[in-house]
Amino acid sequence: GAVVSQHPSRVICKSGTSVKIECRSLDFQATTMFWYRQFPKQSLMLMATSNEGSKATYEQGVEKDKFLINHASLTLSTLTVTSAHPEDSSFYICSARDYGTSSYEQYFGPGTRLTVT
Amino acid sequence: QQQVKQSPQSLIVQKGGISIINCAYENTAFDYFPWYQQFPGKGPALLIAIRPDVSEKKEGRFTISFNKSAKQFSLHIMDSQPGDSATYFCAGYSGGGADGLTFGKGTHLIIQP
Repeated sequence: GAVVSQHPSRVICKSGTSVKIECRSLDFQATTMFWYRQFPKQSLMLMATSNEGSKATYEQGVEKDKFLINHASLTLSTLTVTSAHPEDSSFYICSARDYGTSSYEQYFGPGTRLTVT
Repeated sequence: QQQVKQSPQSLIVQKGGISIINCAYENTAFDYFPWYQQFPGKGPALLIAIRPDVSEKKEGRFTISFNKSAKQFSLHIMDSQPGDSATYFCAGYSGGGADGLTFGKGTHLIIQP
């Protein structure tokens, strides 16, 4: 199956700093990627839909100015957590769908563990 | 996002037994229902998925049963093994749209040896 990678796998940053997380589709083109957030022992919650060449669509309650998403190419989407605070500490996971096939399968990255101190 | 309700929250099954997890959805636009398996610290991995035009799909020890009229679907794990111990999430998705997956709250499954 298709592979989605994320970098970094884990990051620790100080309160008030910004952190960038990369999501790459390695062997397919992804016009749309999705960003999810998962708190400990909870489910995945969709944060935003990232569209190549256009603005991201954010879910209700997600601050677009805090979570900046850039989908500059067909294989790369980035999520930047700006002015991070301890409550932003979470597991961030991206997914992508290969719209070049008829499959509805979404491929998930391995996740990025963000800890804000 | 409309909800996908998942039960039970946790489940303990003896090795060799059948594990059953149930989900119910609200959004009739959903046309793809995947199940994901997640181990601690890892991203979710697709286990099996079904489209609403079939009532059952089986892949190895894993079976999805789907009831379109009741808007319910379930995962059956036959001959459950300790390696199946993980968190399982059901989800709903509208493939024709641009939205992401709507996940259930998850089931923490423990298979006792």
